[in-house]
Amino acid sequence: AQSVTQLGSHVSVSEGALVLLRCNYSSSVPPYLFWYVQYPNQGLQLLLKYTSAATLVKGINGFEAEFKKSETSFHLTKPSAHMSDAAEYFCAVTNNAGGTSYGKLTFGQGTILTVHP
Amino acid sequence: DSGVTQTPKHLITATGQRVTLRCSPRSGDLSVYWYQQSLDQGLQFLIQYYNGEERAKGNILERFSAQQFPDLHSELNLSSLELGDSALYFCASSADRGITDTQYFGPGTRLTVL
Repeated sequence: AQSVTQLGSHVSVSEGALVLLRCNYSSSVPPYLFWYVQYPNQGLQLLLKYTSAATLVKGINGFEAEFKKSETSFHLTKPSAHMSDAAEYFCAVTNNAGGTSYGKLTFGQGTILTVHP
Repeated sequence: DSGVTQTPKHLITATGQRVTLRCSPRSGDLSVYWYQQSLDQGLQFLIQYYNGEERAKGNILERFSAQQFPDLHSELNLSSLELGDSALYFCASSADRGITDTQYFGPGTRLTVL
């Protein structure tokens, strides 16, 4: 079984401020974790993914996330927010539990990021 | 542009009807995934096909079915539609070199059931 909880359905920051979007996961076996971004009226785009190679993962557009097994977390951060970062962000998990779940991504409920000038 | 195409972009239909959503994966991708995004359920995995065969299944209703054709495009068929089926339906594709392979999402089909 696997699940994801994103804390905060809405996050608002000022341009230039730190962005922190929280994600906690639950997985019966070692997880693989993803962050996707969805701009209005578009599909999802991968920001970054954790595949067990390194706990600090760098992605596109200046985003990064750190896998913390002890905290079952995979929070997304960006040092300085831009107006163009305004979008909805989804954390997702999959694992190698096998069976009929291969490749299945389980998504969190999403966090809408608003960036104020 | 992810390279995944979905048609139609919008679909408006009535309860009880049947619709077909179409997805063309990125060139060379063998796996196709279908997801449903709704306000109350969020983003949910429906089903995955790999090279024409069903590989993984989520909470897909019995009224829904899918297939992947020899040219690797996929269709999602929704029948006996209900108001609650109104949602955004995404298709994603991957090369499927492993479980962590990136899934590339199409722009979605917005289904409205009246």
